[in-house]
Amino acid sequence: AQSVTQLGSHVSVSEGALVLLRCNYSSSVPPYLFWYVQYPNQGLQLLLKYTTGATLVKGINGFEAEFKKSETSFHLTKPSAHMSDAAEYFCAVDGGYQKVTFGIGTKLQVIP
Amino acid sequence: DTEVTQTPKHLVMGMTNKKSLKCEQHMGHRAMYWYKQKAKKPPELMFVYSYEKLSINESVPSRFSPECPNSSLLNLHLHALQPEDSALYLCASSQDSYPGIQYFGPGTRLLVL
Repeated sequence: AQSVTQLGSHVSVSEGALVLLRCNYSSSVPPYLFWYVQYPNQGLQLLLKYTTGATLVKGINGFEAEFKKSETSFHLTKPSAHMSDAAEYFCAVDGGYQKVTFGIGTKLQVIP
Repeated sequence: DTEVTQTPKHLVMGMTNKKSLKCEQHMGHRAMYWYKQKAKKPPELMFVYSYEKLSINESVPSRFSPECPNSSLLNLHLHALQPEDSALYLCASSQDSYPGIQYFGPGTRLLVL
């Protein structure tokens, strides 16, 4: 079965600093991986996805993630944090059979 | 139109009430989902409809009853809920071939008294 592990349920960065949110996956087959963002009192929005091909994927709002098979990782990065990036971020894996498994989430706090 | 709409936004109900949550999408997606999300937790899958047929029921109590009247609509009927059912209920849709790429609605915040 596929699963994801998000390291750090809470991450704080200063405005303008690098954002790094960690995600490791476990999968018996080549995984489809995703990052979703959830702003307070809203639904989830897809930030970016990895299916096949290029291992560095770019998403919305300046975020990107790199699929590293050797490290079973799919960490999310952004060079410079904005106040508007404060939200909950979920790493997810397509578990097949129409199921998506979400990580526990990482709450990003941006300090002015 | 990449929007999934949900009504109502908020709902307060007693344990003996019957209510329904509604979800609608016009993206031509053939898979629709109901999730339950408790505070500070990830969404938990409840039901999946594929081509208007229930394909996944994650052992959800029978007090939750899903319905898919057509390819654009998804309902969740609620009856005799418990206070622990209070949560954010999220609807999502996807193209059947890319289930991981889901479009979420804003959710219905449910409070059971």
